[in-house]
Amino acid sequence: AQKVTQAQTEISVVEKEDVTLDCVYETRDTTYYLFWYKQPPSGELVFLIRRNSFDEQNEISGRYSWNFQKSTSSFNFTITASQVVDSAVYFCALSGSGQFYFGTGTSLTVIP
Amino acid sequence: AAGVIQSPRHLIKEKRETATLKCYPIPRHDTVYWYQQGPGQDPQFLISFYEKMQSDKGSIPDRFSAQQFSDYHSELNMSSLELGDSALYFCASSHRGRNQPQHFGDGTRLSIL
Repeated sequence: AQKVTQAQTEISVVEKEDVTLDCVYETRDTTYYLFWYKQPPSGELVFLIRRNSFDEQNEISGRYSWNFQKSTSSFNFTITASQVVDSAVYFCALSGSGQFYFGTGTSLTVIP
Repeated sequence: AAGVIQSPRHLIKEKRETATLKCYPIPRHDTVYWYQQGPGQDPQFLISFYEKMQSDKGSIPDRFSAQQFSDYHSELNMSSLELGDSALYFCASSHRGRNQPQHFGDGTRLSIL
């Protein structure tokens, strides 16, 4: 079964703090892909990153970084020096057999 | 860069009516996906098309149908609408390949009165 768990339903941080959003997945596929999407209050879903199961290199893009650990089936997302514009719902998603399986999302509020 | 275009942005219908949502994928994307996102919920996969053929099917009700046309745009047809169909409907497109990043449109917000 494919499953994505985002245990943190809501997180609030003060601007400039670092914050990590957790994502744990389950899959029986040997080849799979993990994604992060951002859904700001305006509602659209914005693609942030894709990672395949054979690439455990961490990735950094500006203030965003991702830590993929196959041993713990986790794909965590860290925002450093958070900003108010980072306030959104963040979804982790898994794809292995065609369908996307989304986690339930983490609502991040960055307080000025 | 051109993005996925969905129309209409908002739609209000009454119970038992029908609705048609349209999706225009990013140029040269050949795969289209439809999702339903209820209030406070994660997007749920409904159906996908690759090269105008249905490729995967998720939790799409029998009252709904969809197709992809020769110009790759897709339409989601919804009949006998129910209150529970009120949701945000997303279309996404990607290049060929099941694990390519899906790029989402802004969604159609459907409200059933």
